[in-house]
Amino acid sequence: QVHLQQSGPGLVKPSQTLSLTCAISGDSVSANNIAWNWIRQSPSRGLEWLGRAYFSSRWYTNYAPSVRGRITINPDTSKNQFSLQLNSVTPDDTAVYYCSRAAPGMDAWGQGTTVSVS
Amino acid sequence: DIVMTQSPDSLAVSLGERATIHCKSGQNLLSSFNNKNHLGWYQQKPGQPPKLLINWASAREPGVPDRFSGSGSGTDFTLTISELQAEDVAVYYCQQYDGVPYTFGQGTKLEIK
Repeated sequence: QVHLQQSGPGLVKPSQTLSLTCAISGDSVSANNIAWNWIRQSPSRGLEWLGRAYFSSRWYTNYAPSVRGRITINPDTSKNQFSLQLNSVTPDDTAVYYCSRAAPGMDAWGQGTTVSVS
Repeated sequence: DIVMTQSPDSLAVSLGERATIHCKSGQNLLSSFNNKNHLGWYQQKPGQPPKLLINWASAREPGVPDRFSGSGSGTDFTLTISELQAEDVAVYYCQQYDGVPYTFGQGTKLEIK
């Protein structure tokens, strides 16, 4: 049974960096054919995929065009977790943020973190 | 980006009756690589993350009641709940994983009539 535990602040000031971490148990962040994702949800945007990291002989990342240039997803093999950094946030980035595992349907999700930019 | 469009936006069905939700993709989701449709269906209840119900358009996830079924291929897909139970009240989403950026439908809110 895969379990994802999110951590990070719920309040970020405009222009600063949003940082969240997703700790994995029951699987490995380096597992083949598994992608580790960040998704956010807001009334205005619905469910919005932000990006993913996955390992296939080497590490790959993909990001949504809407946040490309502001986003970094980093896997941490020593702690078996992955992180989200979103720079230069504005109030429009206010949302519930989720991490998930995709295999390839998203069959495990973190509990969600409500992040307010204010 | 692949646009996913669900219909209807909301639906009220009597207990024990059938509920049907449609999802249309802007691109063909049937992969020539593995001959599978790269589409999932999710259920989300208030205060909870989405839960994967159906993978590959029609493969029920372990533990999901068999009243939930998925069908369709290419660009048109359907989620059917055969006999609605009170605990099925939720918002349902389709999602394509044929290519990045992954995209979700706008959601269908299912209520009891």
